Amino acid sequence: QKEVEQDPGPLSVPEGAIVSLNCTYSNSAFQYFMWYRQYSRKGPELLMYTYSSGNKEDGRFTAQVDKSSKYISLFIRDSQPSDSATYLCAMARRSGGGADGLTFGKGTHLIIQP
Amino acid sequence: DAGVIQSPRHEVTEMGQEVTLRCKPISGHNSLFWYRQTMMRGLELLIYFNNNVPIDDSGMPEDRFSAKMPNASFSTLKIQPSEPRDSAVYFCASRFSGRAREQFFGPGTRLTVL
Repeated sequence: QKEVEQDPGPLSVPEGAIVSLNCTYSNSAFQYFMWYRQYSRKGPELLMYTYSSGNKEDGRFTAQVDKSSKYISLFIRDSQPSDSATYLCAMARRSGGGADGLTFGKGTHLIIQP
Repeated sequence: DAGVIQSPRHEVTEMGQEVTLRCKPISGHNSLFWYRQTMMRGLELLIYFNNNVPIDDSGMPEDRFSAKMPNASFSTLKIQPSEPRDSAVYFCASRFSGRAREQFFGPGTRLTVL
């Protein structure tokens, strides 16, 4: 079992719909949770960052973390064609010092139909 | 801010040749990460540095891979000799380790080994 599981899609929805993207994980040491967006042939760009459990909202984007279920979600409201991209969840452990690398899901390819 | 800079953007080489990928992190960031992205395996951490010191190189696939960070503004990832299975997109990312876990990615180097 991979540490982070993510449905690769593609997920195709009409413009204006609410999009739900999800990841599950197996390592309870993960404390930091992120969502990255990656356009074709570009580097991943950070969308949302959450520490531990709870919700975080930023404009049309809402990130949720449920550590008891080891499940994280990203919701996109009023989806736009420009939201079409691959969305990667990423996680990091808490460490005593230095920095940890991120463990990524394989990404969900999202298509917003005009 | 110029963001993370990587060069070259594209590299095509023949099996057995040496390949050197270069990265300039964001000024002021003191942690640097090298990742590799393939369709089969997604984004995988290869190695990361904190204050120019390699912290974890457990993701480096083989001894053919090596990475250096001679100063705070420059890092290299070298593959010698290269093999077709090394074909992938290689990303460099940086962050300031005094803050949370957000990492900022460069545009990547697309490597093709024939």
